Amino acid sequence: SAVISQKPSRDICQRGTSLTIQCQVDSQVTMMFWYRQQPGQSLTLIATANQGSEATYESGFVIDKFPISRPNLTFSTLTVSNMSPEDSSIYLCSVERRNTEAFFGQGTRLTVV
Amino acid sequence: QQQVKQSPQSLIVQKGGISIINCAYENTAFDYFPWYQQFPGKGPALLIAIRPDVSEKKEGRFTISFNKSAKQFSLHIMDSQPGDSATYFCAAAPHSAGKLIFGQGTTLQVKP
Repeated sequence: SAVISQKPSRDICQRGTSLTIQCQVDSQVTMMFWYRQQPGQSLTLIATANQGSEATYESGFVIDKFPISRPNLTFSTLTVSNMSPEDSSIYLCSVERRNTEAFFGQGTRLTVV
Repeated sequence: QQQVKQSPQSLIVQKGGISIINCAYENTAFDYFPWYQQFPGKGPALLIAIRPDVSEKKEGRFTISFNKSAKQFSLHIMDSQPGDSATYFCAAAPHSAGKLIFGQGTTLQVKP
């Protein structure tokens, strides 16, 4: 498995502000992924973060709202910009190993007030 | 468009019983089918996964049954225990194990 650390674990933010979530992996990985889990719902892929290239966003998600950085093979950040209450969710970082397994961090529980 | 349909939404099973959760997919390009277990306040944990070249995979009390022609797969939890009470998600991915499409989730409660 992979050890994935996310920071912060939770936060309460004012609407209109931005929050940057960090994801640190215990070993180098090629691909990192960001998911959103809205309250009581399933997980939805936001984007794929590859080191050395721009992130690839899924339908319904845009870079201006969710800018992503991937400065090296063990670290990535997701920023939730200009937040509204609808952005209240759990944001999860995920990594893929050997193209056979995907592991998740504990998530960042975001509440926007 | 929803691509992975999961049922039931919730499930109550007596201790020692068999829990069965079903999923159906539409996209024939999917070739990786994992199941995740999620406890409240935690991230999803990979439970077991299967590729379409086999029809069944067993790990301990957990079994995946896979029907490629019907585009369906299911999770069987044998001898269910109260500690198995959690939300279970099926998922599917084309080629990359990381780009997952999740089902809606099933909340399992195992009664003592």
